[in-house]
Amino acid sequence: ETGVTQTPRHLVMGMTNKKSLKCEQHLGHNAMYWYKQSAKKPLELMFVYNFKEQTENNSVPSRFSPECPNSSHLFLHLHTLQPEDSALYLCASTQWQGRGNTIYFGEGSWLTVV
Amino acid sequence: SQQGEEDPQALSIQEGENATMNCSYKTSINNLQWYRQNSGRGLVHLILIRSNEREKHSGRLRVTLDTSKKSSSLLITASRAADTASYFCATDAEGANSKLTFGKGITLSVRP
Repeated sequence: ETGVTQTPRHLVMGMTNKKSLKCEQHLGHNAMYWYKQSAKKPLELMFVYNFKEQTENNSVPSRFSPECPNSSHLFLHLHTLQPEDSALYLCASTQWQGRGNTIYFGEGSWLTVV
Repeated sequence: SQQGEEDPQALSIQEGENATMNCSYKTSINNLQWYRQNSGRGLVHLILIRSNEREKHSGRLRVTLDTSKKSSSLLITASRAADTASYFCATDAEGANSKLTFGKGITLSVRP
């Protein structure tokens, strides 16, 4: 138990569906992240939220829409995805201290787009 | 662009042996971190080494950092089957926005 909970753990969706991934952290952290992990590729940073404000959008297509209603919750809304978007989506959090931040990851949500 | 690159991509050793994994990076960093990921799970932080440190220990883990060569190594001593996992280095590059950049990872298999 890392203190970062992701739901659902597995999701299969069609290309025309709308779904959402949810992340909740119980660590009192002030920053949250979405990462994408595809086979044989480096972990890709998608979005960073610091004190609920988006501070990083790493050129992510608009079919991925993040939402951070408070510093404990983070959503990733999915709409008209492509099969190549199938991957493990990892949520993470940290207590932002400027430098030397250790990131705590959730177990991930396995997404399959059919 | 990718900052950390691990080497080798895959490593298979016998239980009890030591495992050495390397990471190279391109730009100046504030710190370098190693993470571990069991199959299908999230990443777990192992150890952080700052740019002004050269070596750090944590249990069976030993990390070195050579900023002149822009490289780091992770040594796991007396490996166990339970050490089987993927290992990632992540760099915190100097700059206005501190963010970790991960490599592709090293797959370590420890044979019982």
